Amino acid sequence: SSELTQDPAVSVALGQTVRITCQGDSLRSYYASWYQQKPGQAPVLVLYGRNRRPSGIPARFSGSSSGNIESLTITGTQAEDEAEYYCNSRDSTGDHVIFGGGTKLTVL
Amino acid sequence: QLQLQESGPGLVKPSETLSLTCTVSGDSISSNGYYWGWIRQPPGKGLEWIGTMFYSGITYCNPSLKSRVTISRDTSKNQFSLDLNFVTAADTALYYCARAQIAEYGRTFYFDYWGQGTLVTASS
Repeated sequence: SSELTQDPAVSVALGQTVRITCQGDSLRSYYASWYQQKPGQAPVLVLYGRNRRPSGIPARFSGSSSGNIESLTITGTQAEDEAEYYCNSRDSTGDHVIFGGGTKLTVL
Repeated sequence: QLQLQESGPGLVKPSETLSLTCTVSGDSISSNGYYWGWIRQPPGKGLEWIGTMFYSGITYCNPSLKSRVTISRDTSKNQFSLDLNFVTAADTALYYCARAQIAEYGRTFYFDYWGQGTLVTASS
């Protein structure tokens, strides 16, 4: 399969926990990576592989996997976490890269 | 600190070729194990992978664009480039270049450094 599916929009109250999901057949073989994009800015890698965070990304960002669904969880969501979040992985062939359609996170 | 900078015309006429260059500083595009790629984002829409070049020069392209895409490099200038032929209005987008890596024995493919992006409009 060459698709990753994300919910278009999710909202969370300030300080609460939110889970953003990414679903696709390729995720049975490959891990997702997650990117945060704020308006007018380039995407920023926030999580990759088996729950790995790049340097500088807060520990409130974590990941999990179950079957063909990968999740990005933000624990104690801050106002600055309001952004669009994209997942990506290799497709089922392993030769190509695919992105999910993005999830707009609103912090209430 | 690794930096990537896209450059190229901001306006391309339909049916012509879109040509962009990514200049990399802080690392060599020939460094073992890294990929260098292009991603685009139409206005108000999501990210679309265009293609990636391995440090060895091998390229991989989005099947939906493959017949129109060429990714090349100039190692002497530490640059890699994108040519997209026969553009239409649908190719109007913000074009990003980025560095990628694999991890977890190839089970993860991620873009860890991105340029700021350059807007290309396909219009007469």
